[in-house]
Amino acid sequence: GAVVSQHPSWVICKSGTSVKIECRSLDFQATTMFWYRQFPKQSLMLMATSNEGSKATYEQGVEKDKFLINHASLTLSTLTVTSAHPEDSSFYICSARFGFQPQHFGDGTRLSIL
Amino acid sequence: AQTVTQSQPEMSVQEAETVTLSCTYDTSESNYYLFWYKQPPSRQMILVIRQEAYKQQNATENRFSVNFQKAAKSFSLKISDSQLGDTAMYFCAFMKQIQGAQKLVFGQGTRLTINP
Repeated sequence: GAVVSQHPSWVICKSGTSVKIECRSLDFQATTMFWYRQFPKQSLMLMATSNEGSKATYEQGVEKDKFLINHASLTLSTLTVTSAHPEDSSFYICSARFGFQPQHFGDGTRLSIL
Repeated sequence: AQTVTQSQPEMSVQEAETVTLSCTYDTSESNYYLFWYKQPPSRQMILVIRQEAYKQQNATENRFSVNFQKAAKSFSLKISDSQLGDTAMYFCAFMKQIQGAQKLVFGQGTRLTINP
């Protein structure tokens, strides 16, 4: 149980385009979803927290207009990297939680901007 | 601010040996949760074990156990009878509730290699 699906697993796109990453909880209702960024050989950095039906809460230093987060349902959250540039290349991981249960993580998305 | 420190960037042991990964944290709170996550080369984050701060008994999950020393703010992970599949990055994480939101703060990670 507690499966979180993240799609796509790997995306390559040109600089200036926007990229959408989906995070779905497959067998539970995710009242809260989290988006993390992980640079090579580094730890996870929390970008934002989103509760279903509410605006996301961004961590300090994370650009809201660059990283658009939508959490329209209890099973789906999306992260859109707008006007992506090479410095946005990274590994993005989502996690989902029901209530105060532990977070369950997706498999991550490797984003490469050319 | 809550910080989590893992002082061992890398560790390497032989298969079947026991290995202990260190983690210390800093907080002024009395009630919180601690976790160990495993990230294998596939990069999926897998929950290994969790500990609730108000519980004195150390958590155990099969070959994985923790040594939770609340006063010392220490939360080490012991892996017994290590297996090749245990090779991964291990992250210690601290969680507390902040204004209705619960956030995880991760340590820097320890890269563990199990050698055949």
